[in-house]
Amino acid sequence: SQQGEEDPQALSIQEGENATMNCSYKTSINNLQWYRQNSGRGLVHLILIRSNEREKHSGRLRVTLDTSKKSSSLLITASRAADTASYFCATDGPRNQFYFGTGTSLTVIP
Amino acid sequence: DAMVIQNPRYQVTQFGKPVTLSCSQTLNHNVMYWYQQKSSQAPKLLFHYYDKDFNNEADTPDNFQSRRPNTSFCFLDIRSPGLGDAAMYLCATSRDDRGGSQHFGDGTRLSIL
Repeated sequence: SQQGEEDPQALSIQEGENATMNCSYKTSINNLQWYRQNSGRGLVHLILIRSNEREKHSGRLRVTLDTSKKSSSLLITASRAADTASYFCATDGPRNQFYFGTGTSLTVIP
Repeated sequence: DAMVIQNPRYQVTQFGKPVTLSCSQTLNHNVMYWYQQKSSQAPKLLFHYYDKDFNNEADTPDNFQSRRPNTSFCFLDIRSPGLGDAAMYLCATSRDDRGGSQHFGDGTRLSIL
């Protein structure tokens, strides 16, 4: 399976704190993406980082990529209750496929 | 707004009774995907279409098939649903460039009686 793994599986923090989640993957990639999924809904794209990039920012999101370790991290700063969701990393395959990691369930307590 | 629409949101079928799930898109994207997602798990890619070119994942059961009659529509057919096929089924689209992101519908939750 080309599915990646994420840790932690679940994370609970207070509103205003930062949340960090990590993704490890198995094969070489062109890019890695992070998605959010609210309960019972589809996934929403958050941010994409290319294999030749090491860090990328978008609003309160910061993503890092270490291709030598085949790992990525997503940092959400100053978390809000509305950030409560599951977060998945996704890596691309050779034929336009996407393979998702196991996900981190984030709970932000108001 | 351009979007990916899945119908119905909830589908109930009987064990062994064929069922078809539908997906339509107004994004004019070349690529359409079907994922299976079971509770608290990651979406698992079943197959995808690059235009009319069908790409099956190696571990997708033969019980699952798909049709894409035109750019806008894609269907997931489950020939003989078993209890283990109860899940959320997600449709997604992307452009054919290698840097594109996926756009998801809100899924169809399939229950098997």
